Amino acid sequence: GAVVSQHPSWVICKSGTSVKIECRSLDFQATTMFWYRQFPKQSLMLMATSNEGSKATYEQGVEKDKFLINHASLTLSTLTVTSAHPEDSSFYICSARDPSGYEQFFGPGTRLTVL
Amino acid sequence: GENVEQHPSTLSVQEGDSAVIKCTYSDSASNYFPWYKQELGKRPQLIIDIRSNVGEKKDQRIAVTLNKTAKHFSLHITETQPEDSAVYFCAAVPGGGGNKLTFGTGTQLKVEL
Repeated sequence: GAVVSQHPSWVICKSGTSVKIECRSLDFQATTMFWYRQFPKQSLMLMATSNEGSKATYEQGVEKDKFLINHASLTLSTLTVTSAHPEDSSFYICSARDPSGYEQFFGPGTRLTVL
Repeated sequence: GENVEQHPSTLSVQEGDSAVIKCTYSDSASNYFPWYKQELGKRPQLIIDIRSNVGEKKDQRIAVTLNKTAKHFSLHITETQPEDSAVYFCAAVPGGGGNKLTFGTGTQLKVEL
């Protein structure tokens, strides 16, 4: 199957700083990528849909100015958590859809801890 | 928007028994229903999926059934093994394009020796 990578796998930062997470599709082009957040023992919640060459579409309740998404190429989407606070500590996972079908391929996730 | 409910939240079975996890969805236009297995700290892994034009699909010990009229779908694992222990999520993709996945709340499956 297709491969999606994510970097970094974990990050610890101080409150008030910004953190950038990268999501790459390694062997296919992804016009659409998705960003999810998962708190401990909870489900994956879709934050936004990242569209190559255009603005991201955010889910209700997700602050677009806090979670900046850039999808500048067909293989790379980035999520920047701006002015991070401890409540932003979570597992962030991206996915990209196989262009030939329905299946979505997930990145390995990024564990963000904000002190 | 789509709402997916999943039951039970925890399930404990003896090795060799079967496990069944059930989900319901709200959007009658949803057309794709994947099931994922997630181990602690790892990415979700697709284990089986079904499209809305099919009622049942099987892959070795895993099967999924879909009842479009009732808007439910279920995961069946037979001959469970300790390595089946994980959290399982159902999901649905609403019709109308976009391919957004709406996940169920998850089921922690524990297979005991």
